[in-house]
Amino acid sequence: ETGVTQSPTHLIKTRGQQVTLRCSSQSGHNTVSWYQQALGQGPQFIFQYYREEENGRGNFPPRFSGLQFPNYSSELNVNALELDDSALYLCASKGDFGLTDTQYFGPGTRLTVL
Amino acid sequence: QKEVEQNSGPLSVPEGAIASLNCTYSDRGSQSFFWYRQYSGKSPELIMFIYSNGDKEDGRFTAQLNKASQYVSLLIRDSQPSDSATYLCAVKAGGGNKLTFGTGTQLKVEL
Repeated sequence: ETGVTQSPTHLIKTRGQQVTLRCSSQSGHNTVSWYQQALGQGPQFIFQYYREEENGRGNFPPRFSGLQFPNYSSELNVNALELDDSALYLCASKGDFGLTDTQYFGPGTRLTVL
Repeated sequence: QKEVEQNSGPLSVPEGAIASLNCTYSDRGSQSFFWYRQYSGKSPELIMFIYSNGDKEDGRFTAQLNKASQYVSLLIRDSQPSDSATYLCAVKAGGGNKLTFGTGTQLKVEL
């Protein structure tokens, strides 16, 4: 149990639609990162938020955007969905303190784009 | 060249044997190294992390790091059928929290 929750568990959308995925981190975890994991691949870094500001981004187009809120929740928004966006979307959180920089993943949201 | 490389497997070992999983990385500035286990349909679960050259042991798991060779490995002693999963190697370089993952090695522990 990592204390990171995600919703919904599964989602089916059609090409061109927009989707919002949600994540809730542990209290005190001010860093949240989002990853996309396509079938048979390792997770790919989308972006990272720290205290409500984006402070790192991977090779994903601007139609992938996010928000982080003061209550340790965050969102991943994807506009103009494409078939290749079908994947498991993972959020990971990390606390500000401690001796390690380990990240803990939520259970993920499985997105299918038809 | 991929940033983090793993043999996709499957790696099959008999129950009770030692499973050896390997990972190489290309960024010499990498500082932190992680092994995650992922069961089919589930999210990655952290098993081990290592920062310094050498071995780090935790129960049946041992992580080994050789920064000169840009190589990190995971040994699983007394392998159990419940260890059957995909093992993901992840590397963090520099500041920030971006993890770069390999594609994972599928491990099958056979009775």
